[in-house]
Amino acid sequence: SQQGEEDPQALSIQEGENATMNCSYKTSINNLQWYRQNSGRGLVHLILIRSNEREKHSGRLRVTLDTSKKSSSLLITASRAADTASYFCATSGSARQLTFGSGTQLTVLP
Amino acid sequence: DTAVSQTPKYLVTQMGNDKSIKCEQNLGHDTMYWYKQDSKKFLKIMFSYNNKELIINETVPNRFSPKSPDKAHLNLHINSLELGDSAVYFCASSQGPFLGGANTGELFFGEGSRLTVL
Repeated sequence: SQQGEEDPQALSIQEGENATMNCSYKTSINNLQWYRQNSGRGLVHLILIRSNEREKHSGRLRVTLDTSKKSSSLLITASRAADTASYFCATSGSARQLTFGSGTQLTVLP
Repeated sequence: DTAVSQTPKYLVTQMGNDKSIKCEQNLGHDTMYWYKQDSKKFLKIMFSYNNKELIINETVPNRFSPKSPDKAHLNLHINSLELGDSAVYFCASSQGPFLGGANTGELFFGEGSRLTVL
């Protein structure tokens, strides 16, 4: 069964605004990762946060993790048209595999 | 230099045919995967090989047969193709399997192979 669920399914914002995507999962995890997929391309790893971490930054990306609520959020600040893509969370736990959520389609309007 | 390359990128075929997708990684990784992405972009793992040995085999019809001749290659052969097999198939690799410890489990994906069964 699907482990992660992203929310919202689709998000449309203006260039320069911040974009926030949420991910909820069901079972305990070792780490949670976020990936980006441009249209017609493969997934690209963005950032990883371990289960004992609460927040992590990478450039314009900020990820938070709340293991008590089994949820994570990805914030993209000062968005650009080039950020238009699908964003997936993925969890790694005892199942020895990376399980992906359903994705959020982000559209950044110029 | 492409890290994970898969061929062909597009594949259009008739029901009942047999087809193969090839994947190669030049990252020196031990673990390779096949994922299937459906029309709603949901990604589901199909198989995982670690150093040529099968370690994950999800509920996939036995018409799908992966083959790993060496740890840098993982091919996918599909027999008797059905309409429901239409999807984008992604090959990926990671440094090692998800056993915890130092292996963070970051996946490196190929560009995908879009299979259309008519």
